Amino acid sequence: AQRVTQPEKLLSVFKGAPVELKCNYSYSGSPELFWYVQYSRQRLQLLLRHISRESIKGFTADLNKGETSFHLKKPFAQEEDSAMYYCALSPHTGGFKTIFGAGTRLFVKA
Amino acid sequence: DTGVSQDPRHKITKRGQNVTFRCDPISEHNRLYWYRQTLGQGPEFLTYFQNEAQLEKSRLLSDRFSAERPKGSFSTLEIQRTEQGDSAMYLCASSLEAGGATEAFFGQGTRLTVV
Repeated sequence: AQRVTQPEKLLSVFKGAPVELKCNYSYSGSPELFWYVQYSRQRLQLLLRHISRESIKGFTADLNKGETSFHLKKPFAQEEDSAMYYCALSPHTGGFKTIFGAGTRLFVKA
Repeated sequence: DTGVSQDPRHKITKRGQNVTFRCDPISEHNRLYWYRQTLGQGPEFLTYFQNEAQLEKSRLLSDRFSAERPKGSFSTLEIQRTEQGDSAMYLCASSLEAGGATEAFFGQGTRLTVV
């Protein structure tokens, strides 16, 4: 079964602390993995995708096929990072059905 | 705002009534998706269009739900005989085909409340 699991509903860290939002997936093929973010009162938007292998707003995510994980990390959290984060999976074969996790709310305290 | 737009933003309806939502995608995007999001959950895929063709439908989409994209531009999602369980945020997204999975741009959503 295709599934994305985000084990933490809420993650609270202090400003300047490292942050890691966990994501595990279940998929038989080679999917594309994404992180989407939703800031307060804004629409859902793409943060990063694993094939780009880039850092966006200081966030990085590495696909670990052995552990079927795609954790999102940032070394020093900022208050403006407070938002809802969704891990998502899309079949690499061109399928268009993106499967989302339940989301993790990140709260960065001053 | 040249992004994906959805109308209305909020809809309150009585159980048993029909409702219709509209989505206007980014103009050059040929793919359009509908998702449903309930409290505490991520978006759940409902259906997908490539131009005007509806290519995939989720089992979540009962026969009370119908979606159209008649000219390959805007799309409508209709729910007939609404039930309280239909209360959710309905999200529309669009993307441009570029081979494989691509970034989807989301609208603000339509929040449906069935009373």
